Amino acid sequence: KAGVTQTPRYLIKTRGQQVTLSCSPISGHRSVSWYQQTPGQGLQFLFEYFSETQRNKGNFPGRFSGRQFSNSRSEMNVSTLELGDSALYLCASSFRGHRTDTQYFGPGTRLTVL
Amino acid sequence: DAKTTQPPSMDCAEGRAANLPCNHSTISGNEYVYWYRQIHSQGPQYIIHGLKNNETNEMASLIITEDRKSSTLILPHATLRDTAVYYCIVPNDMRFGAGTRLTVKP
Repeated sequence: KAGVTQTPRYLIKTRGQQVTLSCSPISGHRSVSWYQQTPGQGLQFLFEYFSETQRNKGNFPGRFSGRQFSNSRSEMNVSTLELGDSALYLCASSFRGHRTDTQYFGPGTRLTVL
Repeated sequence: DAKTTQPPSMDCAEGRAANLPCNHSTISGNEYVYWYRQIHSQGPQYIIHGLKNNETNEMASLIITEDRKSSTLILPHATLRDTAVYYCIVPNDMRFGAGTRLTVKP
């Protein structure tokens, strides 16, 4: 099976712009979660989607949003970018998103905000 | 959610066993313990998970204490490629702590 893929792998934006990141889960997986990783804050949970519905949400401002399509692919959007949004954005997929399901991570998208 | 506590860093000699401890004293009866590792700037990689019994796979062994308040991940013959940050998680919503930075030295 192909693993979780994320596009693009690297992105450079300027403050005030918006960005959309894409995640394709492992075939058959219906849950997609997004995480932000920074040196100072570590790995932080953004949100989780299951069957096109946001099921869980972390403690991030409304500038961070996401969606999931019927084929389970997911996108996350960050509007009005700030310097502090520079991070590695990771997505992970699992079969159901149940706590007993293993999550499989993609390689991440490295976002740099100038 | 159960919280986990791990030492921030550990060293291990190449070829020796690496034993990484994790404390999860507030774990509830139906919560699993998961271990992931992250090699620099890559996505976390699943290693192993368990509920009550000890588990072993091709990557590692997981020893869970009888009271389930702590566990130990064992890499039986550590190699330089095992140098990574190791995360112990008791997931309800997959909150990661700071993990243990394992450095395998030649």
